[in-house]
Amino acid sequence: SQELEQSPQSLIVQEGKNLTINCTSSKTLYGLYWYKQKYGEGLIFLMMLQKGGEEKSHEKITAKLDEKKQQSSLHITASQPSHAGIYLCGADKAGNEKLTFGTGTRLTIIP
Amino acid sequence: ETGVTQTPRHLVMGMTNKKSLKCEQHLGHNAMYWYKQSAKKPLELMFVYNFKEQTENNSVPSRFSPECPNSSHLFLHLHTLQPEDSALYLCASSQAGPGAEAFFGQGTRLTVV
Repeated sequence: SQELEQSPQSLIVQEGKNLTINCTSSKTLYGLYWYKQKYGEGLIFLMMLQKGGEEKSHEKITAKLDEKKQQSSLHITASQPSHAGIYLCGADKAGNEKLTFGTGTRLTIIP
Repeated sequence: ETGVTQTPRHLVMGMTNKKSLKCEQHLGHNAMYWYKQSAKKPLELMFVYNFKEQTENNSVPSRFSPECPNSSHLFLHLHTLQPEDSALYLCASSQAGPGAEAFFGQGTRLTVV
């Protein structure tokens, strides 16, 4: 069964616009990771959230983990072509470093 | 460049062939992982090694055989694969323990014909 749900599955955004990607788990998360993947390549780590209510930012990307530690959102401000790719949330649900992933959100940035 | 190197980047093999995928990291990590990524499906964790010992086998068919000779190298030996095994195979490494960031290789694109 799918344990991590990402929405939307795909997103087309005009350059310069803001966007949000969501990741929801039915179980409490020990750690929530966001990765970015260029098509057919490896994953690049973006950030990791562990504490309920935690928020982290890196350049124009901000990620939050809700208080119950079951949902996270990734927000990109003033999107650029370099933001295009597949965004994956990964969860360490049991605290045993076994990361499982959502199906991903494919982001396309149009000029 | 994440510090995790996978070879080859692309592999085409017949169903009767035997091949191996290689993963190498010199980040000082002691946990290594194999993931499979198929179209339209989430990344699937296949195997986990901690300090060279296999700690996870996620119901992977025996035609996939992992080997971890030391904490820097991980192999995935393939034999008598099926076309549905065609996928991107990703290797990752991390420090053992929860909350550790995993570093991924670029992956091997495998096509079984």
